[in-house]
Amino acid sequence: AQSVTQLDSQVPVFEEAPVELRCNYSSSVSVYLFWYVQYPNQGLQLLLKYLSGSTLVKGINGFEAEFNKSQTSFHLRKPSVHISDTAEYFCAVIPMDSSYKLIFGSGTRLLVRP
Amino acid sequence: DSGVTQTPKHLITATGQRVTLRCSPRSGDLSVYWYQQSLDQGLQFLIQYYNGEERAKGNILERFSAQQFPDLHSELNLSSLELGDSALYFCASSKERERGETQYFGPGTRLLVL
Repeated sequence: AQSVTQLDSQVPVFEEAPVELRCNYSSSVSVYLFWYVQYPNQGLQLLLKYLSGSTLVKGINGFEAEFNKSQTSFHLRKPSVHISDTAEYFCAVIPMDSSYKLIFGSGTRLLVRP
Repeated sequence: DSGVTQTPKHLITATGQRVTLRCSPRSGDLSVYWYQQSLDQGLQFLIQYYNGEERAKGNILERFSAQQFPDLHSELNLSSLELGDSALYFCASSKERERGETQYFGPGTRLLVL
């Protein structure tokens, strides 16, 4: 079975500061990795994903993530956050050997303060 | 706007009742997924349909059922509702040509069972 762990339930940060949201996964098979963002009262929007190739993935809105196979991690980073980045961020995986369903972490609330 | 539509946006009903949630996938997408987002369980996969056929089942209760119609829209039926069924229900769609394809999420239906 697979699982995704987002240890930080909430991350407060000041505007223009850098931020890192942590994601670790557990799986007996290789996985595809995703980060989704959920703004208040909206659905989920894909920020970026890792399928193969370069372990550094760039996404929308200035976000990037790095896949580390040895540490089974896929941390999300942004060098300078804006107030508008305040949202819930979800890390998710799709196992390569089974269905197409997303398995989500519990989410991290990013709170950007002025 | 993801291109996935869900109706209704909000639903308030009583315990023991039955409701139907509707989802229209993006144009050209053959696969529809249903997810439930609740405070205690987080985001969980319920069920997937591909081109009218059930493809995968997750943590879906027996009181819940779904189907995908020839025009590819999908309905999620929830019956004998309990207080604990109150949640945000998301539909997502993808073309599903290969694993790792982006799933596009609708805005969700917020269900409140009183």
